[in-house]
Amino acid sequence: QQQVRQSPQSLTVWEGETAILNCSYENSAFDYFPWYQQFPGEGPALLISILSVSDKKEDGRFTIFFNKREKKLSLHIADSQPGDSATYFCAASPPGGNYKPTFGKGTSLVVHP
Amino acid sequence: AQTIHQWPVAEIKAVGSPLSLGCTIKGKSSPNLYWYWQATGGTLQQLFYSITVGQVESVVQLNLSASRPKDDQFILSTEKLLLSHSGFYLCAWSHIFAETLYFGSGTRLTVL
Repeated sequence: QQQVRQSPQSLTVWEGETAILNCSYENSAFDYFPWYQQFPGEGPALLISILSVSDKKEDGRFTIFFNKREKKLSLHIADSQPGDSATYFCAASPPGGNYKPTFGKGTSLVVHP
Repeated sequence: AQTIHQWPVAEIKAVGSPLSLGCTIKGKSSPNLYWYWQATGGTLQQLFYSITVGQVESVVQLNLSASRPKDDQFILSTEKLLLSHSGFYLCAWSHIFAETLYFGSGTRLTVL
């Protein structure tokens, strides 16, 4: 059962464009949604996160838009840079956590110079 | 600042041989600890988690075991490796009652 879905599986954009990565979930109990960035050969690292009480979270060029009613969120990467080329994972957890965060399958982003 | 160290960085092992991978967290007392497995280019599959010394919960059955002998140490092992064990093994920690994971740099395992 895939409770967190990500799309597209892969995305290619040109430098300077805005990359949009999508995530949806099924469990309405989820309330914490971190996005992780993973470069080849490295472990994932927290990029930005949002709680379900918010509909938007910004951190520099990275913005999460959250729609609780539709159970969807998206990560927008503005002014994409070649250094942003990585795999991005959306994850979800219920309140208080349950030691088993649910991860999506990831979106592989390539930014061409 | 907390640091997480995984060892070894990479391993090449024969089918049927034993395996032991390790993870140490410094600068954080009583963390939650996790083991994840990732196929090349694949999703993150949680294997085990531990919320206290000596207590480990299994999430999936993959002919692997885990132990937490010390508060800051997490060990993943098996007595007999399978080809399907090849992949990238990641250790992670989190604060108590928090779900943000902090991953190590991983161990690349190749089983031949």
